[in-house]
Amino acid sequence: KAGVTQTPRYLIKTRGQQVTLSCSPISGHRSVSWYQQTPGQGLQFLFEYFSETQRNKGNFPGRFSGRQFSNSRSEMNVSTLELGDSALYLCASSSGLAGGPDTQYFGPGTRLTVL
Amino acid sequence: AQTVTQSQPEMSVQEAETVTLSCTYDTSESNYYLFWYKQPPSRQMILVIRQEAYKQQNATENRFSVNFQKAAKSFSLKISDSQLGDTAMYFCAFMGNTGKLIFGQGTTLQVKP
Repeated sequence: KAGVTQTPRYLIKTRGQQVTLSCSPISGHRSVSWYQQTPGQGLQFLFEYFSETQRNKGNFPGRFSGRQFSNSRSEMNVSTLELGDSALYLCASSSGLAGGPDTQYFGPGTRLTVL
Repeated sequence: AQTVTQSQPEMSVQEAETVTLSCTYDTSESNYYLFWYKQPPSRQMILVIRQEAYKQQNATENRFSVNFQKAAKSFSLKISDSQLGDTAMYFCAFMGNTGKLIFGQGTTLQVKP
């Protein structure tokens, strides 16, 4: 099976702009989670989508949003970019069917730089 | 709230030797999984090993094994016969019923030839 894919791999934006990141999960996986990785804060959970519904949400401002499509592909949007949004954004997929702990498999990440 | 702590920011080991990375966690949940992920310089997060809390037997995957001490809330990773390709940052992670991974701060492992 193909792994989790993320596009684009690199992005450079300026403050105030918005950005959309895309994630395609492993075939058959219905859950997609997003994480932000920064040197200062480490890895932090953004949100999880399952069957086109947001199932979990982390402690991020409303500028961070996401959605999931019927084919389980997910997009993450960040509006009004700030310098502090510069980070590696990781997407992870899992079956989502366990109803409890599950194993997440990660994509290669999107490196976002905000100037 | 659940927390994961990795107390060793950096470690090094000679090629072919054995190294152990430490991790402690805190939770009041009874149903959870613990993971070790590896992140090499490419930044791809790779699953190394998984331990289900309800299993008493320690998980093993080839050269990688864990020492899961549930009462002590300890979860260490042992890498045997270290290889240059094992050089990476290693993250210990917890997942309970919320479905989100909680990561430790990471341990940078350098394997020296």
